[in-house]
Amino acid sequence: DQQVKQNSPSLSVQEGRISILNCDYTNSMFDYFLWYKKYPAEGPTFLISISSIKDKNEDGRFTVFLNKSAKHLSLHIVPSQPGDSAVYFCAATLTGANNLFFGTGTRLTVIP
Amino acid sequence: KAGVTQTPRYLIKTRGQQVTLSCSPISGHRSVSWYQQTPGQGLQFLFEYFSETQRNKGNFPGRFSGRQFSNSRSEMNVSTLELGDSALYLCASTSGLLATGDTQYFGPGTRLTVL
Repeated sequence: DQQVKQNSPSLSVQEGRISILNCDYTNSMFDYFLWYKKYPAEGPTFLISISSIKDKNEDGRFTVFLNKSAKHLSLHIVPSQPGDSAVYFCAATLTGANNLFFGTGTRLTVIP
Repeated sequence: KAGVTQTPRYLIKTRGQQVTLSCSPISGHRSVSWYQQTPGQGLQFLFEYFSETQRNKGNFPGRFSGRQFSNSRSEMNVSTLELGDSALYLCASTSGLLATGDTQYFGPGTRLTVL
């Protein structure tokens, strides 16, 4: 039972344009969300997070938006760079817990 | 600060054997979580240890077990290996609780191949 879903397995974007990665979740008890970037044979690298009490969090080129009513979050990367090419995972967790529920990932390719 | 380290990085075992993987968290981090990544199931939570106690457990059979030592280092053990246990095993450390704003940092993983 996949509680966190990323319905787009892949996304291609031109360098300099905006990349938008989407994530949906089913468990309304999730209250903290994170985005990770992953290269093959490496561990995920933390990018940005957002608490359920916020609807937006920004860190440099990365912005995460949370729509609790729709149980949807998105990661915006502006401007996209070739070095952003990787698999992006969204993850969610519950209050008082450190176990992450991961989505299936979206492979982003930024074309120079 | 040194990151999360995992040993060994690669391991080849045969069915029926057992294996032990090791993880050293970031200095000062008391929570260690383990995850399994496979092409079919994605990234799945195995268990979390905090101050030498298992605090949370995922939906894996009892063949998967772990422990944490007083210096926060952790090991996970898989007994009676099956072909389906072939995966990338990831360890992650957290200072406190994620929902309070802490971050979970991952190690490079151990690639286990079961033949």
